Amino acid sequence: GAVVSQHPSRVICKSGTSVKIECRSLDFQATTMFWYRQFPKQSLMLMATSNEGSKATYEQGVEKDKFLINHASLTLSTLTVTSAHPEDSSFYICSAKNYEQYFGPGTRLTVT
Amino acid sequence: DAKTTQPNSMESNEEEPVHLPCNHSTISGTDYIHWYRQLPSQGPEYVIHGLTSNVNNRMASLAIAEDRKSSTLILHRATLRDAAVYYCILREPVSGNTPLVFGKGTRLSVIA
Repeated sequence: GAVVSQHPSRVICKSGTSVKIECRSLDFQATTMFWYRQFPKQSLMLMATSNEGSKATYEQGVEKDKFLINHASLTLSTLTVTSAHPEDSSFYICSAKNYEQYFGPGTRLTVT
Repeated sequence: DAKTTQPNSMESNEEEPVHLPCNHSTISGTDYIHWYRQLPSQGPEYVIHGLTSNVNNRMASLAIAEDRKSSTLILHRATLRDAAVYYCILREPVSGNTPLVFGKGTRLSVIA
């Protein structure tokens, strides 16, 4: 199956700093990528949909100025958590779509 | 996407078959039934999908009721590596940029 990678796999940052998470589709081109967030013992919650070359569409309740998404190429999307706070600590999962939707391994963000 | 209902948790002994049920009484005539699973601290992975007929692949089998209002994911011999949360998701055949929407899923525990 298609492979989606994420980097880093885990990151610890201090409150107030920004963190960038990369998502790459390794063996296919993805015009659409999705970002999900998952808190412990909960299901995945969709944060935003990004299309290559255009602005991301955010789900209700997700702050677009806090979670900056860039989808500059058909194989790369980035999520930047700006001015991170402890409540942003979560498991962030990206997904890339061609015909099917494929998921990255996730990034564990801990904000201290 | 139409709603699905799954048990919160199930338990199985190792090397025994596991039947994971999913109810989707409001399924439309064109919705496909997809199953994904999420191992601990990983992104979701595709398991199987079907429309009307039962389906088999190397990971599992999918049994679909004749009225399509329910389905069952069958793991023929559960291993410890099958311990995961299993999600049953309905999707339209041409979903465009519509992302997968995850419910709570069934947490499967496998006992050695």
